Amino acid sequence: DGGITQSPKYLFRKEGQNVTLSCEQNLNHDAMYWYRQDPGQGLRLIYYSQIVNDFQKGDIAEGYSVSREKKESFPLTVTSAQKNPTAFYLCASSAISSTDTQYFGPGTRLTVL
Amino acid sequence: GESVGLHLPTLSVQEGDNSIINCAYSNSASDYFIWYKQESGKGPQFIIDIRSNMDKRQGQRVTVLLNKTVKHLSLQIAATQPGDSAVYFCAERLNSGYSTLTFGKGTMLLVSP
Repeated sequence: DGGITQSPKYLFRKEGQNVTLSCEQNLNHDAMYWYRQDPGQGLRLIYYSQIVNDFQKGDIAEGYSVSREKKESFPLTVTSAQKNPTAFYLCASSAISSTDTQYFGPGTRLTVL
Repeated sequence: GESVGLHLPTLSVQEGDNSIINCAYSNSASDYFIWYKQESGKGPQFIIDIRSNMDKRQGQRVTVLLNKTVKHLSLQIAATQPGDSAVYFCAERLNSGYSTLTFGKGTMLLVSP
C-alpha cells in the first residue's frame, strides 16, 4: 500500500517544548515538503528537500528545523522559537519531473497548550 | 509577491448541478497548474493537472480550463454530488524545471442534496 504517512494525527505541546512530526513515504519520491495550514488560509511552505542530506528553507522556516537522512523520511521539528505553532501541518512528496505533482499525507494537527 | 488567488471563497450548489470554481494567477511564466480537493481534517487530494501548452484537460467528471491570455484557471465538476463538498485549491509552478508550488487560499464548495 503506497503513500505518505504522518504521525501523530494529533499532537499537543506545552509552551517551550520542541516537538517532532514524522513524515514517511514509500513512493520512491526524491522530493519532500512541509507545509503549514492555518484556518481559512492556503498552504505555506516551511521547508523542502530535493535529495537526501539536502534541504532548503521555504517561506516560513523560522522556528522550524528538518533533516533528510533517508529518502523516505523527512521529519519536522517545531522548536520553542516558533511563537505561534498551533496549526495543521502537511507533508508532501513528489518525483522530480516535468510535472512535479505533489502528493500529500493526512496531516498532523498541533496544538500548543 | 505574486500568488495564486481565487474569485469566490464559497460556492453553494444543488446536487446534480455543474460547478465551476475559478482561480486567477499572476505569473505569466507559470507552466504547470494543479487542482486539489481537501476534505475537513484531511490532506489535499490531487484532482487534475494541466500544463501551460494545453487549454483544456478532462478527467472523470472534472474538466480544467486554462486561459493564458487572462491568466485564469477553472475547475468544472459535472453532476456535483454531496461527496464533492470540500475546499478546492489551485496551485501553480512558477518556472519551468524544478520549483516549488504556490497555492491559493481555496474555495469552499457546498453541495446540498
